[in-house]
Amino acid sequence: GQQLNQSPQSMFIQEGEDVSMNCTSSSIFNTWLWYKQDPGEGPVLLIALYKAGELTSNGRLTAQFGITRKDSFLNISASIPSDVGIYFCAGQTSGSRLTFGEGTQLTVNP
Amino acid sequence: DTGVSQDPRHKITKRGQNVTFRCDPISEHNRLYWYRQTLGQGPEFLTYFQNEAQLEKSRLLSDRFSAERPKGSFSTLEIQRTEQGDSAMYLCASTRQGKSTDTQYFGPGTRLTVL
Repeated sequence: GQQLNQSPQSMFIQEGEDVSMNCTSSSIFNTWLWYKQDPGEGPVLLIALYKAGELTSNGRLTAQFGITRKDSFLNISASIPSDVGIYFCAGQTSGSRLTFGEGTQLTVNP
Repeated sequence: DTGVSQDPRHKITKRGQNVTFRCDPISEHNRLYWYRQTLGQGPEFLTYFQNEAQLEKSRLLSDRFSAERPKGSFSTLEIQRTEQGDSAMYLCASTRQGKSTDTQYFGPGTRLTVL
């Protein structure tokens, strides 16, 4: 079945640093999404990407849909303590299930 | 819009008992999805509904699991004869199929612990 490889598994950074994480897939997706999950809560959508090559920003977050449609990255600039959490990429073919990566645990030291 | 809501938020049960979870999607969202998430992993798809029709089921959904969406609004997920391996977070998501951007929005989840 489809699998998403997300890296890194965890990151420990200082407040103010930039962060980059990425996902690769063995299969093509029509949509890439990035979610953030806090402990005991459901995933919250951060950015959605719908076209190959698309680069989208949401505040300090920037994400790109790879041109091959098999990868995506998420950048967070000038990290702050509330950025702590688990970040998941997810791929989707039209209107169907999401396939999630294994997550990147982000820790931000003040 | 109120978000996706799930009830209960936490459930502790003994092995062999039946449990039922409820999900209320965002109003007017006609697609509803169930996922399961174990510790340290991303959510895994279980099943989804379009209106009241169950359109797809994952092979993760054993015959002890059943999901319904009788009126095309809220949905229930029942697990019969629970096993310790069923301990997980059960997440519900909804979307409005037909929009150009049918993004899935998640509820807060139901944390199940089977003793």
